Amino acid sequence: GENVEQHPSTLSVQEGDSAVIKCTYSDSASNYFPWYKQELGKRPQLIIDIRSNVGEKKDQRIAVTLNKTAKHFSLHITETQPEDSAVYFCAARRGSYIPTFGRGTSLIVHP
Amino acid sequence: DAGVTQSPTHLIKTRGQQVTLRCSPKSGHDTVSWYQQALGQGPQFIFQYYEEEERQRGNFPDRFSGHQFPNYSSELNVNALLLGDSALYLCASSLPGEVADTQYFGPGTRLTVL
Repeated sequence: GENVEQHPSTLSVQEGDSAVIKCTYSDSASNYFPWYKQELGKRPQLIIDIRSNVGEKKDQRIAVTLNKTAKHFSLHITETQPEDSAVYFCAARRGSYIPTFGRGTSLIVHP
Repeated sequence: DAGVTQSPTHLIKTRGQQVTLRCSPKSGHDTVSWYQQALGQGPQFIFQYYEEEERQRGNFPDRFSGHQFPNYSSELNVNALLLGDSALYLCASSLPGEVADTQYFGPGTRLTVL
């Protein structure tokens, strides 16, 4: 089955800095890669996703890049703000199978 | 447009007991998936229901069972509770199919087993 590794487990940045979270996956047939943000005590919320037919997708301050050859994808957050502080999960999915989640990255943005 | 709802919000049980958790999918969605999220971990897939049948199942024992009703709502049942079953149980709804099944999560049920 699919295996998703996520790094780092904790990321601490100053407000205004950029943050990068990286994930690798094992199943070369995976073709859908969502990212979720989970604030303390709240539900995971989809923030951005990318499909295997594109290499990059951007939505305001967040972007995701995908390298199919290396089987890794990354979340980039620019101009971080304190409200970006949360746990971020990556996931990988093949076709209509259930997505496999990474273990999460706790992002802390210091004012 | 109502999102995914779950009940109850919190639940405390003792070892050996049984528990039932409930989920109502987002309006227009007919597929419901259940996840277990232990503290500090990512969600782990339990099973998925579509058209009132279990369509996919993760690596969870038979103590975990479910049901989907004609109105697409779903229940998760856990028998013979263990301490290790303490977790946040998340329900996610989606449309079926490869392109459309972005999952939307409910707020979760926090289960504590004493």
